Amino acid sequence: GESVGLHLPTLSVQEGDNSIINCAYSNSASDYFIWYKQESGKGPQFIIDIRSNMDKRQGQRVTVLLNKTVKHLSLQIAATQPGDSAVYFCAENLSSGGSYIPTFGRGTSLIVHP
Amino acid sequence: DTAVSQTPKYLVTQMGNDKSIKCEQNLGHDTMYWYKQDSKKFLKIMFSYNNKELIINETVPNRFSPKSPDKAHLNLHINSLELGDSAVYFCASSQGRPVGRGLLLLKTEAFFGQGTRLTVV
Repeated sequence: GESVGLHLPTLSVQEGDNSIINCAYSNSASDYFIWYKQESGKGPQFIIDIRSNMDKRQGQRVTVLLNKTVKHLSLQIAATQPGDSAVYFCAENLSSGGSYIPTFGRGTSLIVHP
Repeated sequence: DTAVSQTPKYLVTQMGNDKSIKCEQNLGHDTMYWYKQDSKKFLKIMFSYNNKELIINETVPNRFSPKSPDKAHLNLHINSLELGDSAVYFCASSQGRPVGRGLLLLKTEAFFGQGTRLTVV
């Protein structure tokens, strides 16, 4: 299940299950969104991105959904594997008039149990 | 073949000391950043440079001074280190283009270094 609080939100799943990680962004003018994966002891790594003119984008085992109406992003990981265990961040960019730097959300720790 | 490399990986130092963290990218990007990650994994932008010019400088104590000798390097110097400076510092780079005074349109995702774990004792 998922727990949200003062600590890093955590999602625990069994190997082979599908995982869904959610993210709310702050600025309705943001037009480019990226999901990053950060493994222990490493820097964040790009997983998948999506522009605001799309509502869905698929990669290998990952899908990102964008709902601009409620300013919500989700990352779906199919057939989750132990190697998917990491902290996942969404980041938003604006093209003008404000923050144009990758601005990161809180992060969600995904734990995959064999 | 490391795209973004930062050194050192670990840095343990006493309060009051001055230290530097170096960062280099070989991706040909024109924008570089420094982020600070706290113990709760929150990643906060500190500085951003585009073609050696400071673009963003978030609320960071002026004990932190970035220096960009060329667009492939962005070093971070910290004076008078404090206990609260203990964190993991990440350098990153991406490709962008200016769209207005001080503004930047990012064309690609950011590539991150492996991080520098700074411990102030």
